[in-house]
Amino acid sequence: NAGVTQTPKFQVLKTGQSMTLQCAQDMNHNSMYWYRQDPGMGLRLIYYSASEGTTDKGEVPNGYNVSRLNKREFSLRLESAAPSQTSVYFCASAGRVYGYTFGSGTRLTVV
Amino acid sequence: GQQVMQIPQYQHVQEGEDFTTYCNSSTTLSNIQWYKQRPGGHPVFLIQLVKSGEVKKQKRLTFQFGEAKKNSSLHITATQTTDVGTYFCAGPSPGRRALTFGSGTRLQVQP
Repeated sequence: NAGVTQTPKFQVLKTGQSMTLQCAQDMNHNSMYWYRQDPGMGLRLIYYSASEGTTDKGEVPNGYNVSRLNKREFSLRLESAAPSQTSVYFCASAGRVYGYTFGSGTRLTVV
Repeated sequence: GQQVMQIPQYQHVQEGEDFTTYCNSSTTLSNIQWYKQRPGGHPVFLIQLVKSGEVKKQKRLTFQFGEAKKNSSLHITATQTTDVGTYFCAGPSPGRRALTFGSGTRLQVQP
């Protein structure tokens, strides 16, 4: 039972490059989320998908796009990376029982 | 927008001492959740509180939800080195089907 799987675990990008962070869950959860974590700022919501086929902006959506590919998968895309997007990115999912299950994170550095 | 504040930001204790972190929301919450993140790890769900004045215990951890449902606390009795990490509270975001996380309290325990 893998839970929430994120790939890659580490990535270094040059300013202006693009990349997609992948997230998949095997718990049959309806809701999935992308958060970023910066020192001293807790977790900030980028985008979320309350159910398959829907996506909504969170607190800090600028510079990102998402795709809910199916019930299992929710990807986050950076079209043109900027140094301000250097962060740790966490994907999470939630079902009918309360509490989020988080993936192990992607540590992204933009130089 | 909604703000969820936690104090202190950081606390260093000797093993065996007690520890408390406080969480305050700018809005009334329908529920509050607590998470623990070990250094280098991902947040892990601990508990959810729903009722005004609710108190729940998990071994040495005691969680309280305020009467006005705008604040909460986590108290650890007789800390151990395994308690090291950052503790986050989180509440439902108004208008979004997602959680707003507090900035977290980082606990360091000296053996």
